Amino acid sequence: AQTVTQSQPEMSVQEAETVTLSCTYDTSESDYYLFWYKQPPSRQMILVIRQEAYKQQNATENRFSVNFQKAAKSFSLKISDSQLGDAAMYFCAYRGYTGNQFYFGTGTSLTVIP
Amino acid sequence: DGGITQSPKYLFRKEGQNVTLSCEQNLNHDAMYWYRQDPGQGLRLIYYSQIVNDFQKGDIAEGYSVSREKKESFPLTVTSAQKNPTAFYLCASSITGIPTEAFFGQGTRLTVV
Repeated sequence: AQTVTQSQPEMSVQEAETVTLSCTYDTSESDYYLFWYKQPPSRQMILVIRQEAYKQQNATENRFSVNFQKAAKSFSLKISDSQLGDAAMYFCAYRGYTGNQFYFGTGTSLTVIP
Repeated sequence: DGGITQSPKYLFRKEGQNVTLSCEQNLNHDAMYWYRQDPGQGLRLIYYSQIVNDFQKGDIAEGYSVSREKKESFPLTVTSAQKNPTAFYLCASSITGIPTEAFFGQGTRLTVV
């Protein structure tokens, strides 16, 4: 079974600074999707960014970007110009082409310091 | 607006009682999922369904049951056999065949009193 590991239970960043959240995964599949979800205090899960494994170019969504290293099975999230509203739990997730299951990491709690 | 609706937002149950959590989607998604979220443990899969009248157990199915009689609906019953049911429950749906993202409901907080 696929596993997703987030080794940083908690992170903090100064407002306007940059922070990187780490995620590694284990899979034998060659094609898959990776996602970062944000869960603010409201607990609504919000998709931040997604990456198709067959694309070499790293995905970017405004202040959010990923560093996808397929060979290393690493998928980190970089948040630039951090804002107070970025404070949340962030989950890394995997979905393969051969099944419809999602595999989630245990999450990283991000605190933004004013 | 298309989306997933979970109800109720908060639910209280007495020990020994069964309770059903509702999940409805109007996204025309074939796949639906139930996750349990506890502090420090991320999202754990309870059940998922890829098509009407079919569902599979996830990692923590014991003490839970589901049905999928309609494409739009995937209710979760927490039975009295679930030893520690107090948790936050999330329902999600997605397209099948193409591994795009899951869409989530707002969640239900279940508390056993």
